[in-house]
Amino acid sequence: SQTIHQWPATLVQPVGSPLSLECTVEGTSNPNLYWYRQAAGRGLQLLFYSVGIGQISSEVPQNLSASRPQDRQFILSSKKLLLSDSGFYLCAWSSGTTYGYTFGSGTRLTVV
Amino acid sequence: AQSVTQPDIHITVSEGASLELRCNYSYGATPYLFWYVQSPGQGLQLLLKYFSGDTLVQGIKGFEAEFKRSQSSFNLRKPSVHWSDAAEYFCAVGRGGATNKLIFGTGTLLAVQP
Repeated sequence: SQTIHQWPATLVQPVGSPLSLECTVEGTSNPNLYWYRQAAGRGLQLLFYSVGIGQISSEVPQNLSASRPQDRQFILSSKKLLLSDSGFYLCAWSSGTTYGYTFGSGTRLTVV
Repeated sequence: AQSVTQPDIHITVSEGASLELRCNYSYGATPYLFWYVQSPGQGLQLLLKYFSGDTLVQGIKGFEAEFKRSQSSFNLRKPSVHWSDAAEYFCAVGRGGATNKLIFGTGTLLAVQP
């Protein structure tokens, strides 16, 4: 069966520090991968998605970047965090046959 | 523009009462429709989905939803709410394809009174 792993679960980082959040999927190949950010009362905002290795599409301009170095690995990064980067970050995957998403358990990022 | 509206930000129901959460969408074609549930501090879990066919779909945990094309709605229902149903609920729409992007509503937070 397919599983998705996201870590860390919680992260507190100072302003100006770098960020790396990792997401991996098991049990499937060539998945679509997505990074969402969730802010209170604002639902889920799609940040990045990827349909293949090295293919990254950005939905909104921001202080973040994403990479997909391997088929089932998706990384969210920042060189210098801002206070506004605080939030709950969710990774998700889908395939052409499932259409809906399977989500990871999320990372709560607090920038202080 | 494609969008999803969940008009109720917060709903409180008594345990054992019926529940209906509203979802309206704006989409160029008949979309695929989804309901997800999120417990505090957790990821989202798929409750049910509609692709085509019977407009009344059954999901997990006793939930159902009805697609009404004329009203562009996909409301979620449950006949008798349990305390464990307290969570945030998200409606989403998409159309599959190569990118398979979903558009999510802003969510409805459900509180259950004993």
